[in-house]
Amino acid sequence: KAGVTQTPRYLIKTRGQQVTLSCSPISGHRSVSWYQQTPGQGLQFLFEYFSETQRNKGNFPGRFSGRQFSNSRSEMNVSTLELGDSALYLCASSPASGLAGAAQYFGPGTRLTVL
Amino acid sequence: DQQVKQNSPSLSVQEGRISILNCDYTNSMFDYFLWYKKYPAEGPTFLISISSIKDKNEDGRFTVFLNKSAKHLSLHIVPSQPGDSAVYFCAASPFSGGYNKLIFGAGTRLAVHP
Repeated sequence: KAGVTQTPRYLIKTRGQQVTLSCSPISGHRSVSWYQQTPGQGLQFLFEYFSETQRNKGNFPGRFSGRQFSNSRSEMNVSTLELGDSALYLCASSPASGLAGAAQYFGPGTRLTVL
Repeated sequence: DQQVKQNSPSLSVQEGRISILNCDYTNSMFDYFLWYKKYPAEGPTFLISISSIKDKNEDGRFTVFLNKSAKHLSLHIVPSQPGDSAVYFCAASPFSGGYNKLIFGAGTRLAVHP
């Protein structure tokens, strides 16, 4: 099976702009989670989508949003970009909910740089 | 407030010896724990997990130990190989948050040298 794919791999934006990142999960996986990785804060959970519904949310401002489509592909959007949003954004998919879904499979990430 | 802590940012081990990576947590609601390995320019790769009802889980060269009373878990790699050199992340999940919400530690960089 193909792994989790994320596009684009690298992105440069300026403050105040908005950005959309895309994630295609492993075929058959219905849960998609997003994480932000920064040197100072490490890996932090953003949100999780399952069957097109947001099921879990981390402690991020409302500028961070996401959605999931009927084919399980997911997008996350960050509006009004700030310098501190520069990070590696990782998408992870898992096959199910509950305990069976805990082992998540990560994509390579999108490196976002905000200037 | 770091709920999952990996206090050793780095560890250096000789090839063939045992690598022990440690992780502490503070939230008693965590009941599922995982270890991930990350190479540069790649996403984390799932290694091994353990439920809070167990105290040990083995998978080949990797064994995870859980001490619930101490809120401590460790990953043992025996024998260590140069290809094991990577950053290792400990992660925990609270059932109340759904198992797909993972709280990660800061990571420990393991270097296995010949």
